Amino acid sequence: AQSVTQLDSHVSVSEGTPVLLRCNYSSSYSPSLFWYVQHPNKGLQLLLKYTSAATLVKGINGFEAEFKKSETSFHLTKPSAHMSDAAEYFCVVSEAHGTSYGKLTFGQGTILTVHP
Amino acid sequence: DTAVSQTPKYLVTQMGNDKSIKCEQNLGHDTMYWYKQDSKKFLKIMFSYNNKELIINETVPNRFSPKSPDKAHLNLHINSLELGDSAVYFCASSQSGRGGETQYFGPGTRLLVL
Repeated sequence: AQSVTQLDSHVSVSEGTPVLLRCNYSSSYSPSLFWYVQHPNKGLQLLLKYTSAATLVKGINGFEAEFKKSETSFHLTKPSAHMSDAAEYFCVVSEAHGTSYGKLTFGQGTILTVHP
Repeated sequence: DTAVSQTPKYLVTQMGNDKSIKCEQNLGHDTMYWYKQDSKKFLKIMFSYNNKELIINETVPNRFSPKSPDKAHLNLHINSLELGDSAVYFCASSQSGRGGETQYFGPGTRLLVL
């Protein structure tokens, strides 16, 4: 079975300061992990993806995430927030085997607010 | 060109009605999905189809019936709509449906049942 917990429902930062969105996962098999972003009244856009290659994954718009197996974490970071980063972010897990095959399991979402 | 498209974008209807949402993908993918996003923004998979064959069928009322006429289309028909069906419904597709593949999402259909 697979599950995802996003540790913060809301994160608020000032423009130009670092962003940290936290995610912990649980998986019976080697997972693939994703971060998706949803801007207000829009669809879901893939930010980045981890699939057992390099543990530090670079995504679009300057975002990165680090896979830490020992901590079962996949936190999303960005060195300097921009106003356009304000959105809701979803951490997502997918397993290659087992009964969850091909199914994405979403975290509860973290709303990122960026202040001028 | 839009990769995954859904129609309609907005749907407002009365309780008890029957409605359909259409989804099309032009990515050449074999697998398509329907997800429901509730009022708290929580996303949960409903169904997936691979080459017109039902693969994933989560615990969804049988008032919801997906139909895949070909691998580029996956429609969602909902009978006897209830207030609790109000949500945003997202269609997605992926290459083969294997775990770990990126899924590409449509823009969503916002359904409001009055």
